[in-house]
Amino acid sequence: AQSVTQLDSHVSVSEGTPVLLRCNYSSSYSPSLFWYVQHPNKGLQLLLKYTSAATLVKGINGFEAEFKKSETSFHLTKPSAHMSDAAEYFCVVSDPETGNQFYFGTGTSLTVIP
Amino acid sequence: DTAVSQTPKYLVTQMGNDKSIKCEQNLGHDTMYWYKQDSKKFLKIMFSYNNKELIINETVPNRFSPKSPDKAHLNLHINSLELGDSAVYFCASSQRGTRNQPQHFGDGTRLSIL
Repeated sequence: AQSVTQLDSHVSVSEGTPVLLRCNYSSSYSPSLFWYVQHPNKGLQLLLKYTSAATLVKGINGFEAEFKKSETSFHLTKPSAHMSDAAEYFCVVSDPETGNQFYFGTGTSLTVIP
Repeated sequence: DTAVSQTPKYLVTQMGNDKSIKCEQNLGHDTMYWYKQDSKKFLKIMFSYNNKELIINETVPNRFSPKSPDKAHLNLHINSLELGDSAVYFCASSQRGTRNQPQHFGDGTRLSIL
């Protein structure tokens, strides 16, 4: 069965410090993995996606994520947080064995302290 | 040139009324979705249509009825609205069967039941 676990419901960092948002997945096959960001009162915007071409994926706004098959993880990182990064972040897995159905994590709310 | 557009953006109505939310995508995708996001930001899949055919129909009250006149449109009709229907409803689209293709989301419809 496919599932996604976002290990932290809330993360708080100071501006200028690194960001780490954790995501673990379970999938019976080689999955596709995505991170989305949702700013307040907005829709979901794709940050980055794992395509199996490279395990370290770079996204928009300085974010990146590393696919670690042995740990079934796809954690999202950014070296230096900016105030505009404050938002809700969703990790998503899509599995070809289920017709590419999408499975969402429960979200991580990122607060950036000035 | 909005990719996925939903109307209306805000919907305030009274209990017992019937309302519709419309969604259109101009990405040429073959699959469209409706999600419900509650106050805790959890995203729950409600329905999915592939080429106008219903492929996902989660446990949703039958007061909710999706309609897909063509593969670029997926509307959501809600009968006899209840207080618990207050939420943000997101429409999304994707190209099913194509690995690594993400979903694209609309900006959401904020439904408030008085």
